[in-house]
Amino acid sequence: NAGVMQNPRHLVRRRGQEARLRCSPMKGHSHVYWYRQLPEEGLKFMVYLQKENIIDESGMPKERFSAEFPKEGPSILRIQQVVRGDSAAYFCASSPDSPRPEAFFGQGTRLTVV
Amino acid sequence: AQSVSQHNHHVILSEAASLELGCNYSYGGTVNLFWYVQYPGQHLQLLLKYFSGDPLVKGIKGFEAEFIKSKFSFNLRKPSVQWSDTAEYFCAVNAPRDDKIIFGKGTRLHILP
Repeated sequence: NAGVMQNPRHLVRRRGQEARLRCSPMKGHSHVYWYRQLPEEGLKFMVYLQKENIIDESGMPKERFSAEFPKEGPSILRIQQVVRGDSAAYFCASSPDSPRPEAFFGQGTRLTVV
Repeated sequence: AQSVSQHNHHVILSEAASLELGCNYSYGGTVNLFWYVQYPGQHLQLLLKYFSGDPLVKGIKGFEAEFIKSKFSFNLRKPSVQWSDTAEYFCAVNAPRDDKIIFGKGTRLHILP
């Protein structure tokens, strides 16, 4: 059973470009979480999705950021018109259908905006 | 809103020393509690978890944590640390009716050989 797969591992974008981060959850997991990690700030919750639905996006910036988890295919975190402050490690986690979620994390995507 | 507080941002210990990392959470109801570890350059891995039952939880690699409901705490302990325990440790909480998992800011542990 493959773990949570994120790609790319490293992504470099120029200011103003778009960044697309992909996350394939573990087999059988229908819940996906995205977190952003900045030095000295820990993991900041961004968004929680189930298949085809955004359940909680309270941690997402209001502009330029969007997330989806389609019926088929990976979850996508999309950042439009990136700025230097978007540089961070973005982690995806997945959990199974359960009243007691245990999140399994991917390797992360390190986004660098130049 | 839920929050998690980790008291120590950086901890430096010598090998064989005992370890205790503090974690407090704010939430009045039933919670699920977790400790994750992130080794340098790697992703987060689950160390241990508490859902219910015995408040003293044993995890991997000799770690344990104790849930003290009256103190809203879930401190992580290890009797004798090793150099390979150098990593960042995150406490996390989840309220069953609020599916997202909230993390603390992490504690960076450095073990001197």
